[in-house]
Amino acid sequence: NAGVTQTPKFRVLKTGQSMTLLCAQDMNHEYMYWYRQDPGMGLRLIHYSVGEGTTAKGEVPDGYNVSRLKKQNFLLGLESAAPSQTSVYFCASSYEREYSYSWDEQYFGPGTRLTVT
Amino acid sequence: AQKVTQAQTEISVVEKEDVTLDCVYETRDTTYYLFWYKQPPSGELVFLIRRNSFDEQNEISGRYSWNFQKSTSSFNFTITASQVVDSAVYFCALSEAGGGAQKLVFGQGTRLTINP
Repeated sequence: NAGVTQTPKFRVLKTGQSMTLLCAQDMNHEYMYWYRQDPGMGLRLIHYSVGEGTTAKGEVPDGYNVSRLKKQNFLLGLESAAPSQTSVYFCASSYEREYSYSWDEQYFGPGTRLTVT
Repeated sequence: AQKVTQAQTEISVVEKEDVTLDCVYETRDTTYYLFWYKQPPSGELVFLIRRNSFDEQNEISGRYSWNFQKSTSSFNFTITASQVVDSAVYFCALSEAGGGAQKLVFGQGTRLTINP
């Protein structure tokens, strides 16, 4: 199993350019998440998905869009990149057990380092 | 709103010393989960432990131990006889209920440096 993979690993964008980050998982997890990590601020949730075809906003969704057309993939899009979006982006996935309030840990991808100049 | 505070931004100790990383959380939920993740210099996030709000038993795994105290809303992490390989950034996180997804709220992280 590859676990959670992210493409690309590094990217440099100019202000105003667009791009899509791809996250793929092969664990058949229902839930997928996108976080950003900035120095001194830990990780913050951007968007998440509870299943194919569904997405929802997290703590810092502005400037990003997401799509979950296939269960195994979760795409994060930046339509018009800004320097404030310079960050390390992590994708994660998890599954919920059969009974409520029993979550396992989230499995994280290796991260994508994005620089917007 | 849920919040996790790791007041120690950086800690530096000499190898073989014991070190405790503090984590204080705020939540109105009666059911929640707490996590610790390790981020080594290579950058990936490594899961260490999960604890639910109904289980206040302390846990020990090798040189690692965790102390969960609901009375003080704390979930502290202790490394005994630290080693250079323990050098990393450590994150404490709290899961927020609702929506069927596990929306993690992370602390700011504590950078731990173990000097030989």
